[in-house]
Amino acid sequence: SQQGEEDPQALSIQEGENATMNCSYKTSINNLQWYRQNSGRGLVHLILIRSNEREKHSGRLRVTLDTSKKSSSLLITASRAADTASYFCATDGASGGSYIPTFGRGTSLIVHP
Amino acid sequence: KAGVTQTPRYLIKTRGQQVTLSCSPISGHRSVSWYQQTPGQGLQFLFEYFSETQRNKGNFPGRFSGRQFSNSRSEMNVSTLELGDSALYLCATAERGRDEQFFGPGTRLTVL
Repeated sequence: SQQGEEDPQALSIQEGENATMNCSYKTSINNLQWYRQNSGRGLVHLILIRSNEREKHSGRLRVTLDTSKKSSSLLITASRAADTASYFCATDGASGGSYIPTFGRGTSLIVHP
Repeated sequence: KAGVTQTPRYLIKTRGQQVTLSCSPISGHRSVSWYQQTPGQGLQFLFEYFSETQRNKGNFPGRFSGRQFSNSRSEMNVSTLELGDSALYLCATAERGRDEQFFGPGTRLTVL
């Protein structure tokens, strides 16, 4: 089963608007990561946030983490057409000493020029 | 540094055959993980190799196996292919394996 679940599944916005995607997970984590994937190609790492962090910024990206609610959000500000992609959250799924990285099903973002 | 490379990029096989996929990590990366991505199941973790040893394994049948060589290059093998094995197989490498991973472009496998 998927550890991380993104919401919404699809998001369509105009260039210049902000896009917010959410991720929920089920078990304790050490860190949570967000990735971007363009059209069936490899994933690109965007940002990593550790369990003891609440917010992190990288350029136009802002990630928050609420471990009490087991949720994270990714905000892309001033979106561009080039931001059109699928966005995935991934948790480290640490359990019993093993490490099983688990990805959600992703949010498909379309930014219209 | 050169990125993660995967070969071949596309592959067509028939049921019952076997296939071997290759992944060359970024220089200095000792961790190599493999993932299967399908529209139905999403991205699923297959296994991770670190210093030639399988360190973690996902929930896949024994038909899926892998290995890592002393230069950190990794291969993944799928035997007795089934139609459901059609997927994008992604390789990801990292210095240690538990933080940022760098993904290759993937191998698109089609089983007929």
